[in-house]
Amino acid sequence: QQPVQSPQAVILREGEDAVINCSSSKALYSVHWYRQKHGEAPVFLMILLKGGEQKGHEKISASFNEKKQQSSLYLTASQLSYSGTYFCGGTESGSARQLTFGSGTQLTVLP
Amino acid sequence: NAGVMQNPRHLVRRRGQEARLRCSPMKGHSHVYWYRQLPEEGLKFMVYLQKENIIDESGMPKERFSAEFPKEGPSILRIQQVVRGDSAAYFCASSQQGRVLNQPQHFGDGTRLSIL
Repeated sequence: QQPVQSPQAVILREGEDAVINCSSSKALYSVHWYRQKHGEAPVFLMILLKGGEQKGHEKISASFNEKKQQSSLYLTASQLSYSGTYFCGGTESGSARQLTFGSGTQLTVLP
Repeated sequence: NAGVMQNPRHLVRRRGQEARLRCSPMKGHSHVYWYRQLPEEGLKFMVYLQKENIIDESGMPKERFSAEFPKEGPSILRIQQVVRGDSAAYFCASSQQGRVLNQPQHFGDGTRLSIL
């Protein structure tokens, strides 16, 4: 079963903040975040491995709470270039052979 | 270009024909993953291959679909006797090591398959 992402879509003004959530009904061993612009390839952002782990990529950071089986992606002071669809992907074991992706959150940043 | 290369970018087939999608992984990568994406939806795992081996094909339909990654040359996703429902974007990704848990996957630009 795929992770559930929320919200499905969000519209921001440049400089505003956003949070995208990713929840799973199954235990997750790692959470991967990707961004895809329309008609392009998904681009890797970061991987979170441990409960409570946080990571950052420019002004984009994320946390992973393995007990709650959820991860959140934080976008601060959003830029126009942040527009796109964000996908979380989870692995359900330490020896997982596949990523199970959520259905995505469409982020639009307006000037 | 050292990235993941997929071709063709667009492929049009009539119902009943065969579609062959190619993927050359990043230099130094020997692990390849194929995903299917319908419009406005997420990426659905299809198959994971290493050179000359299928590691996990649990996401691949049992009939008409096959994949290979030969010792030499690109990985091929083959769809026989295509139907309208096969219309989608097919993405290939590669990784340097095979531990999905902590290895980033690098995606190609995809092949948009349209079935007439």
